[in-house]
Amino acid sequence: AQSVTQPDIHITVSEGASLELRCNYSYGATPYLFWYVQSPGQGLQLLLKYFSGDTLVQGIKGFEAEFKRSQSSFNLRKPSVHWSDAAEYFCAVGPLTSGTYKYIFGTGTRLKVLA
Amino acid sequence: DVKVTQSSRYLVKRTGEKVFLECVQDMDHENMFWYRQDPGLGLRLIYFSYDVKMKEKGDIPEGYSVSREKKERFSLILESASTNQTSMYLCASSSPSGRDREQYFGPGTRLTVT
Repeated sequence: AQSVTQPDIHITVSEGASLELRCNYSYGATPYLFWYVQSPGQGLQLLLKYFSGDTLVQGIKGFEAEFKRSQSSFNLRKPSVHWSDAAEYFCAVGPLTSGTYKYIFGTGTRLKVLA
Repeated sequence: DVKVTQSSRYLVKRTGEKVFLECVQDMDHENMFWYRQDPGLGLRLIYFSYDVKMKEKGDIPEGYSVSREKKERFSLILESASTNQTSMYLCASSSPSGRDREQYFGPGTRLTVT
């Protein structure tokens, strides 16, 4: 069955430190992969996406992610975290190719940034 | 800019009431989705629609129904609200073709059922 795993529920980093949020997926083919960010009380905003080509993708707000087929991973990185990056981050795959248009989301990683 | 709007940001309803949550998108997307979001559970799909008047159940459709009479509008209906439907509800839309397959989300409706 298709699934997305974000193993870290909470992560705390100091402002200016580097960040890596992990995402592993289980899917029968190369999926479309996404990272979204959600600020408190808001909807989800797309940070970046991958569907083919260069496995290192750049997104908004200085984020990047690397697709590693051999590890079924799509980890999100930022070299220097800002206090405004405190939010919840969701990894997702989809749309599924099994005849539906469904997407699968991880359960999210909540990022706290220390001043 | 793609815009997905939801009719209310906050809603308080009583148990047993019929509740309508409306979502409108302006990108001519064929696909629209309703999710609920609860702490620790991520986003769970309630229903989605891939065309006008077409709908399919998601993972947790019990207690909900939907309506899509026009392409841009997708409504979620709680037939008889219960306290366990207190949650954040997110609407999204996407295109089924082309390179841009990402979902665009509305700001969410936080529903409290008392």
